Amino acid sequence: DVKVTQSSRYLVKRTGEKVFLECVQDMDHENMFWYRQDPGLGLRLIYFSYDVKMKEKGDIPEGYSVSREKKERFSLILESASTNQTSMYLCASSSTGLANNEQFFGPGTRLTVL
Amino acid sequence: AQSVTQLDSHVSVSEGTPVLLRCNYSSSYSPSLFWYVQHPNKGLQLLLKYTSAATLVKGINGFEAEFKKSETSFHLTKPSAHMSDAAEYFCVVSEGDAGNMLTFGGGTRLMVKP
Repeated sequence: DVKVTQSSRYLVKRTGEKVFLECVQDMDHENMFWYRQDPGLGLRLIYFSYDVKMKEKGDIPEGYSVSREKKERFSLILESASTNQTSMYLCASSSTGLANNEQFFGPGTRLTVL
Repeated sequence: AQSVTQLDSHVSVSEGTPVLLRCNYSSSYSPSLFWYVQHPNKGLQLLLKYTSAATLVKGINGFEAEFKKSETSFHLTKPSAHMSDAAEYFCVVSEGDAGNMLTFGGGTRLMVKP
C-alpha cells in the first residue's frame, strides 16, 4: 500500500525559530513535493524535487528551503519562522513513470508560529 | 499556464439528494484533470481522474465527473449524498509537459444535512 508519512501532525514554534518538516515515502518515487494549504486558496506549491539533491522552486518559495539527500526523504526548512507561515503543510510524491501525474499525499503537518 | 476555478466555496445538501461541485479550468495543452477529497484531519485522497480517454469518469464512492472541453469544465456529481461525503473537495489540473506539476482549485467544502 502506498504510503507518505510526515514527522509531526501538529507543531508549535516561536517566531525566529528554525523549523524542520520531514516527509518520507516508501514507494520509490522520483518526485516529491511540498505544499501549503490555506483556507480558500487550495494547495500552493512551495518546492519540489525530481531527483536526489535536485530541487526546484514552486509558486511560493520565499522563506523556505528544502533538502533531499535520499530518494525517500524530502525535508522542508523554515530558516526563521514567521507568523505568516502558520499553515497546514502537505507533502506528496509521484512516480515519473506513473501515467497522468497522480500524486500521493501525506496526512499533513499543522504548524502554528507564535 | 494552467489554472482552476471552483465556483462554490461551500455547498450544502441534504442526505439522499444529488451533489454537484463545479469546476472550470484553463490549460494551454491537453490537460489531465483530477478530483481529490480531504476528510477532516486526513490527507488528500484521489477520487477520480480524467486522462483523455472516456469523457465521463467514474471514481470511488459513487462519484463521477464529465470532461467538457467546449465548456472547459470538469464538474463532480453524485446521485445521492451520504453523511460520510462531508469533506473538502479539490479540482486539480495537470499539463502533460509540466513535469508532474499540479494546480489546485481553492476547494469546495461539502456539508451534508441529515
